[in-house]
Amino acid sequence: DGGITQSPKYLFRKEGQNVTLSCEQNLNHDAMYWYRQDPGQGLRLIYYSQIVNDFQKGDIAEGYSVSREKKESFPLTVTSAQKNPTAFYLCASSIQGDNEQFFGPGTRLTVL
Amino acid sequence: KQEVTQIPAALSVPEGENLVLNCSFTDSAIYNLQWFRQDPGKGLTSLLLIQSSQREQTSGRLNASLDKSSGRSTLYIAASQPGDSATYLCAVPSPGNNRKLIWGLGTSLAVNP
Repeated sequence: DGGITQSPKYLFRKEGQNVTLSCEQNLNHDAMYWYRQDPGQGLRLIYYSQIVNDFQKGDIAEGYSVSREKKESFPLTVTSAQKNPTAFYLCASSIQGDNEQFFGPGTRLTVL
Repeated sequence: KQEVTQIPAALSVPEGENLVLNCSFTDSAIYNLQWFRQDPGKGLTSLLLIQSSQREQTSGRLNASLDKSSGRSTLYIAASQPGDSATYLCAVPSPGNNRKLIWGLGTSLAVNP
């Protein structure tokens, strides 16, 4: 089955810890994205990558980091510098040159 | 600055009713517009994408229209079913960078049996 997988589905973090959220796609898409979703707010773009070994900051990149070493993988690290990390995180991908985005099932991160 | 608004924020209808969800945007110079569905606690499912040159797109019981000049898109759902209950989101590319999408807050739809 082609698609986007995110793991884990639920993640709990203690304050001061870094955590990494996984996003993998087997759609052969070039571009990948990370969004954050909070109640009452629209989706906000954290980082995006159009090609391997390259990525750009979105609107709320502070406190987050990413890597794109492989075409199919785009992990997101939530660092201790992110002051309010509790949220639902969504990963998406698209074909190069096309902005129609396809989403994974999401990871819910809770800071204890 | 592009802004996307969806009205109403919530809608409750009886099963079988035809309904219209609205999406408006402030900058009419859009590349395309995309409609998504989100079930509670789940990711987004792409429903329809309308290119700027198109007036409408259809998929099954769903029909999306686009009127760039008035800054509006509508999502028409025919013969609604309880399984259509979800939040519906629309998004348009940011002017100057079509990799960035500008999102509405969504319409939460409940279809009652």
